[in-house]
Amino acid sequence: QKEVEQNSGPLSVPEGAIASLNCTYSDRGSQSFFWYRQYSGKSPELIMSIYSNGDKEDGRFTAQLNKASQYVSLLIRDSQPSDSATYLCAVRPGGGNKLTFGTGTQLKVEL
Amino acid sequence: ETGVTQSPTHLIKTRGQQVTLRCSSQSGHNTVSWYQQALGQGPQFIFQYYREEENGRGNFPPRFSGLQFPNYSSELNVNALELDDSALYLCASSQGAGSSEAFFGQGTRLTVV
Repeated sequence: QKEVEQNSGPLSVPEGAIASLNCTYSDRGSQSFFWYRQYSGKSPELIMSIYSNGDKEDGRFTAQLNKASQYVSLLIRDSQPSDSATYLCAVRPGGGNKLTFGTGTQLKVEL
Repeated sequence: ETGVTQSPTHLIKTRGQQVTLRCSSQSGHNTVSWYQQALGQGPQFIFQYYREEENGRGNFPPRFSGLQFPNYSSELNVNALELDDSALYLCASSQGAGSSEAFFGQGTRLTVV
């Protein structure tokens, strides 16, 4: 079992729709969770962090965390073509120092 | 713009050579982590430096080594380059070694031929 799993996609959504990106992780001791956006040929850009169960909203982005189910998700409302990118889920274990990444989900927002 | 800068941005080396990659951390950050990202994969943790000391290492051989300087900038050195070392090398800067957010530089694209 991979430590952090994501569906590689591509996930295609029409412009203006809600994009839902999912991630599961295997280490129950994980404490910190992050979503990064990576455009082709560029480096990852941090868009959301979440540390406790529930929802965290920032503009059009909402991160959701369920530690009991070992599941974290990212919702993007009113998707725009500029949101087309690969979204990386990253997990840091409790007391740990490294980030463990999934392979990323490619999102395509179509006009 | 994260304030994390890496150099060079692109590099081509021959198998067996050695390479040094550099990273300047964001102002106020004392921790630098290095990651390797192969095409189509997520970044893989190489090691972390916190206050000039190595503070954790991933599953990479000893020919991957590093340094952190008093101004918290860092170097990644790779000896005896192999074709499989071709990847995007990413430096991430953070405040503290634990749970804080990490911000990436633009990366160095290394090609080994």
